[in-house]
Amino acid sequence: QQQVKQSPQSLIVQKGGISIINCAYENTAFDYFPWYQQFPGKGPALLIAIRPDVSEKKEGRFTISFNKSAKQFSLHIMDSQPGDSATYFCAASKTISGTASKLTFGTGTRLQVTL
Amino acid sequence: DTAVSQTPKYLVTQMGNDKSIKCEQNLGHDTMYWYKQDSKKFLKIMFSYNNKELIINETVPNRFSPKSPDKAHLNLHINSLELGDSAVYFCASSQDRGWGAGELFFGEGSRLTVL
Repeated sequence: QQQVKQSPQSLIVQKGGISIINCAYENTAFDYFPWYQQFPGKGPALLIAIRPDVSEKKEGRFTISFNKSAKQFSLHIMDSQPGDSATYFCAASKTISGTASKLTFGTGTRLQVTL
Repeated sequence: DTAVSQTPKYLVTQMGNDKSIKCEQNLGHDTMYWYKQDSKKFLKIMFSYNNKELIINETVPNRFSPKSPDKAHLNLHINSLELGDSAVYFCASSQDRGWGAGELFFGEGSRLTVL
C-alpha cells in the first residue's frame, strides 16, 4: 500500500520555468513533510521541509505548499535551472518512540531542466 | 568531512554469500537508519537504531541483521544473499528529538549486485 503518492513520475521544464511536483498522503499521523533531492550516484539530500501547522514554506527558489484538509502538499521550483535536474522525493514522517522518524517516501519525480 | 560515510560503495557477489556494509556518522546524532532503494528508485526503511537500541524493524527477512556497536556506527550484515537483494542500501542519521528527528542525513549508498 503506497501511503504517499507522488506525481508526475517525470517532468521536463525549460530553464527559467516553474517545476511543480505534487504529493498526497493518507495517514493523518504523519507529523513532518520533507522533500529530498537525489543526484545520480548520490544519497538523497534534504531540500526543504514543512510542519503540518504551516501552509507554506519558502527557501530561496523552493516553496512547499501544504493543504492539511486535502492531505496534499507540493514542491514548486521557481526559475528552474539545469543544475536542478535530479530526482525529487516527497516524504511523510511519523515519530516512533519519540526517538526516531519513520519516513515514508513517494515514488520520486525525475526532473530534467533543459536549456 | 563526510557526515555519513558508508563502505564499501560497490559490492558484487554470488548468490548464497554473506556480506556486510559499514556506516559511520560524525554528526553527533543518536539515531541511525538503513534504507533500501530498489531498481525503480523506491526508498523503503529497513531498520532504525537509537543510541544502540533497535527502534524500527520493518518486515525485512531475518537474513538481514543490523548491528550498532556505538551510536556513531550502524552496520548491516546480510546472510545467504539472493538475487532480489540487489539494490542500493543507504545509511542515514538524524537527531532524536523535535523536528530534527524528521530530517535525515543520508550517506552516498552502497550498491549491492548479487549474481
